[in-house]
Amino acid sequence: EAGVVQSPRYKIIEKKQPVAFWCNPISGHNTLYWYRQNLGQGPELLIRYENEEAVDDSQLPKDRFSAERLKGVDSTLKIQPAELGDSAVYLCASSPNSNQPQHFGDGTRLSIL
Amino acid sequence: RKEVEQDPGPFNVPEGATVAFNCTYSNSASQSFFWYRQDCRKEPKLLMSVYSSGNEDGRFTAQLNRASQYISLLIRDSKLSDSATYLCVVNRGGGSQGNLIFGKGTKLSVKP
Repeated sequence: EAGVVQSPRYKIIEKKQPVAFWCNPISGHNTLYWYRQNLGQGPELLIRYENEEAVDDSQLPKDRFSAERLKGVDSTLKIQPAELGDSAVYLCASSPNSNQPQHFGDGTRLSIL
Repeated sequence: RKEVEQDPGPFNVPEGATVAFNCTYSNSASQSFFWYRQDCRKEPKLLMSVYSSGNEDGRFTAQLNRASQYISLLIRDSKLSDSATYLCVVNRGGGSQGNLIFGKGTKLSVKP
């Protein structure tokens, strides 16, 4: 079974530039999550999708962050404009539903210069 | 009080040692508890769920004390391959796994 696929693995941009991350969840997984993990911290949930619906985006900084999950499969997370404090690893996870364990992708390591 | 608190370590132990990690959580409504393992520069992976009666998986034993809002993980006969960061994870409320709170993690280093 293919796991959660994320791209790119690494991204380096200058502050104020836009950036986007892509996630392909495990086939058949209806629930998709985006997390941010800062160095020395645990992952923090940014947004959770049930199919194409964002059911929990309470911790997504909506002034600069946006996400979409068109057709309820792949998802993109965008930051515009990026700030220095956005440097982190952005993890995508999926699960069959919200009552099942989550499977994480490798993450995208973002560095803001 | 933070939602999930763990001793960050690092715990440096010799091979074969027994090591225990502790975790406390603040939300008394939480009903699902887990330990995840995260290797350096890798993604978190579910190690084991934690059940009310306590549960064991090989060399790993997890315990839950709801009254004290305390979770523990015991690793017996430590192996070099156990070196990783162990994340205590609690759901925010109810039985769903859809809203998980991760602790900062406890780093374990097993030495030869």
